[in-house]
Amino acid sequence: GAVVSQHPSRVICKSGTSVKIECRSLDFQATTMFWYRQFPKKSLMLMATSNEGSKATYEQGVEKDKFLINHASLTLSTLTVTSAHPEDSSFYICSASSGRGPETQYFGPGTRLLVL
Amino acid sequence: DQQVKQNSPSLSVQEGRISILNCDYTNSMFDYFLWYKKYPAEGPTFLISISSIKDKNEDGRFTVFLNKSAKHLSLHIVPSQPGDSAVYFCAAKGGIYNNNDMRFGAGTRLTVKP
Repeated sequence: GAVVSQHPSRVICKSGTSVKIECRSLDFQATTMFWYRQFPKKSLMLMATSNEGSKATYEQGVEKDKFLINHASLTLSTLTVTSAHPEDSSFYICSASSGRGPETQYFGPGTRLLVL
Repeated sequence: DQQVKQNSPSLSVQEGRISILNCDYTNSMFDYFLWYKKYPAEGPTFLISISSIKDKNEDGRFTVFLNKSAKHLSLHIVPSQPGDSAVYFCAAKGGIYNNNDMRFGAGTRLTVKP
């Protein structure tokens, strides 16, 4: 299957700093990328959907000024958690789609963020 | 707003037996359902799906059953193998959502004992 990478896999930062997470589709061009957040024992919650070259569409309740998403190319999307706080600590996972249906949505391995 | 629910956080079965993972949903607009499998330190990978026009879809050892009236679906794995040990996510899409916008359950951790 297609490969999606995320970097970093784990990050620890101080409260107030900003953290950037990269999501790359390694062997296909992703027309759409998704960012999810997962709390312990909870489901994957969709945060935003981004299409290359356009602004991301954020889900209700997700602060777009706090979670900045950039989808600059067909193989790269970034999520920046600005002015991170301990409550932002979570597991962030991206997925990339080639646009041919839900079975073609490929997930990255996720990034564990811990804000101290 | 938990539209997709997996009420069993974990399941343990003996190798060779059947594993049954359950999933319930609340939104009647969902028209496509998927199961994903996730190993530690990896992203979820697609396993099997079913459209709302069907009530059963089979792929090798994996079968998904859909009961629309009960808003319930299940994944059957038979025979279960130790390599099936993973977290299984149920997902649903459809209705007002974008084509690739899916809602996930919290996952069920399956352990298959040798």
